[in-house]
Amino acid sequence: DGGITQSPKYLFRKEGQNVTLSCEQNLNHDAMYWYRQDPGQGLRLIYYSQIVNDFQKGDIAEGYSVSREKKESFPLTVTSAQKNPTAFYLCASSIGAAISYEQYFGPGTRLTVT
Amino acid sequence: AQSVAQPEDQVNVAEGNPLTVKCTYSVSGNPYLFWYVQYPNRGLQFLLKYITGDNLVKGSYGFEAEFNKSQTSFHLKKPSALVSDSALYFCAVRDAGTASKLTFGTGTRLQVTL
Repeated sequence: DGGITQSPKYLFRKEGQNVTLSCEQNLNHDAMYWYRQDPGQGLRLIYYSQIVNDFQKGDIAEGYSVSREKKESFPLTVTSAQKNPTAFYLCASSIGAAISYEQYFGPGTRLTVT
Repeated sequence: AQSVAQPEDQVNVAEGNPLTVKCTYSVSGNPYLFWYVQYPNRGLQFLLKYITGDNLVKGSYGFEAEFNKSQTSFHLKKPSALVSDSALYFCAVRDAGTASKLTFGTGTRLQVTL
């Protein structure tokens, strides 16, 4: 997982509360990504950012928000509008957004909302 | 739209035997293909990728994958499995024609036993 940190590892929240997941990378990568992983469904893209101060919606952006104010940081906020927020959230980065670049993943944050 | 299929939820193999984890894809242009591995409660680790050139791609930890354009497949292989290879394996694809996002398969759990 080297170079990408996500905190905390486990997060518990009550329904109706917003929560922010941290993602930091020291790889000097331009592009960063947020995925959600649910059992049996693989990874689904929430948001991605190709460069600082720019980001785009992925396949399941509803109920989530992001910011990219610094190159090394790409926090994800899970809002109360997200209907099923309990999941394993993975942050990733790549050198750039070019199609051939592989993505490197952080260790993940497991969010439980009750 | 691009898609990836991993037809086996689980693959069981004895240590020392060869292993194959299957992946087929569908894209409109030329495919860029990736394999990742995930250990329990961890992020994904990049194993290997096919961009162009030789159909047999070698990657980390002794894994290799064979690109077959006519069968639209990119199966992951290893000549001799280790118990420590037991993990969840994901195939992913990007379509060179559309420069689209990375699409993941649903994953295949590999169980290697003594």
